[in-house]
Amino acid sequence: KAGVTQTPRYLIKTRGQQVTLSCSPISGHRSVSWYQQTPGQGLQFLFEYFSETQRNKGNFPGRFSGRQFSNSRSEMNVSTLELGDSALYLCASSLASGGRSETQYFGPGTRLLVL
Amino acid sequence: TQLLEQSPQFLSIQEGENLTVYCNSSSVFSSLQWYRQEPGEGPVLLVTVVTGGEVKKLKRLTFQFGDARKDSSLHITAAQPGDTGLYLCAGANSGNTPLVFGKGTRLSVIA
Repeated sequence: KAGVTQTPRYLIKTRGQQVTLSCSPISGHRSVSWYQQTPGQGLQFLFEYFSETQRNKGNFPGRFSGRQFSNSRSEMNVSTLELGDSALYLCASSLASGGRSETQYFGPGTRLLVL
Repeated sequence: TQLLEQSPQFLSIQEGENLTVYCNSSSVFSSLQWYRQEPGEGPVLLVTVVTGGEVKKLKRLTFQFGDARKDSSLHITAAQPGDTGLYLCAGANSGNTPLVFGKGTRLSVIA
């Protein structure tokens, strides 16, 4: 079974631009979560999508948004980029059968650098 | 807001040494997960502990969940260079609430 894939792997943008990141979950997984990882703050939860609906949202500004398609693939968008948005953006998928102890499978991440 | 504190933040040891890293919170979690993340990769789940006082072993790695389900530890015996990485703990609650991650312990094992 193929793992979680994320594209692109690396991205360089300038302040004020917008960016769209893509995540393809493991086949059969219905939940996709997005995280931002920085050295100072660690892994911070952005949002979770389940069956095309946002089920949970972290404490990030409205510049961060996402969506999920009917095939469970997900995209996240960051508008009006700021220097502080430079980070590794991780996507994780799970079966979301209901128990929180289930495994989340992470992709390799997209490393975003904002200049 | 639930927080997980991991210590130490950084650890550099020689091959063959033993080590313990800690994950502490003032909050109770229904379960706790440990992940390892290597450079250029996403975190990979090592273990999930669910019951207070539970101990799980994965080869040279021993995981323990505190009796009160507020803390956990990871002990590595005879560390090897392949154990190098960022170790993350994550707390889970019942229902569909997001995982809470600690900031991690960055381990370097020198041959």
